[in-house]
Amino acid sequence: DIVMTQSPDSLDVSLGERATINCKSSQSVLYSSNNKNYLAWYQQKPGQPPKLLMYWASTRESGVPERFSGSGSGTDFTLTISSLQAEDVAVYYCQQYYSTPHTFGQGTKLEIK
Amino acid sequence: QVQLQESGPGLVKPSETLSLTCTVSGGSISTYYWSWIRQPPGKGLEWIGYIYYSGSTNYNPSLKSRVTISVDTSKNQFSLNVTSMTAADTAVYYCARAQSGTSSYLYWGQGALVTVSS
Repeated sequence: DIVMTQSPDSLDVSLGERATINCKSSQSVLYSSNNKNYLAWYQQKPGQPPKLLMYWASTRESGVPERFSGSGSGTDFTLTISSLQAEDVAVYYCQQYYSTPHTFGQGTKLEIK
Repeated sequence: QVQLQESGPGLVKPSETLSLTCTVSGGSISTYYWSWIRQPPGKGLEWIGYIYYSGSTNYNPSLKSRVTISVDTSKNQFSLNVTSMTAADTAVYYCARAQSGTSSYLYWGQGALVTVSS
């Protein structure tokens, strides 16, 4: 199984400031034949299912605000929120879909400082 | 817009079998892969497995011996059975569908909390 490790486990950021969440996979999730990283990011608020934010590591899902961006390749990835809003308080997960079993990071809890 | 809704018992006794059904609306089940994912209270997400409408399946090896996913295209439903339930299986169980061309999960049910207790 590919192990996904996120850092930090929790993060306090002031409103309007940048938030950065990291995700590292135990092996590359870059598929060489199409040069795509099989990596997604989700946002989960209490009592709700996860919401897909990014796929292919850096493609924003329709309707996701532009302040969310994804970067990275191979084994190291980052989700950045450029200017934190109150509604961004949530737990964020990365997920690899390079191989089964699909696996998720342990989550990063983002709160307002 | 595709919608998914889980249904089933909220309480299961230890050693018994959990049966959950996911009803798909707003689209046909006769395409795509249909998945189950679970989340223990206060913890992270665990992929259980998926089924294609044709019936082919792929399970998480950690659960494979106890899990069966099936599909009923006539009812636009797919189901999850987990045998020999223990307290460690207490979780919110989500059904989900990946978006076309990827296995990133775009569509989710609201989740069904299943508690294992005598």
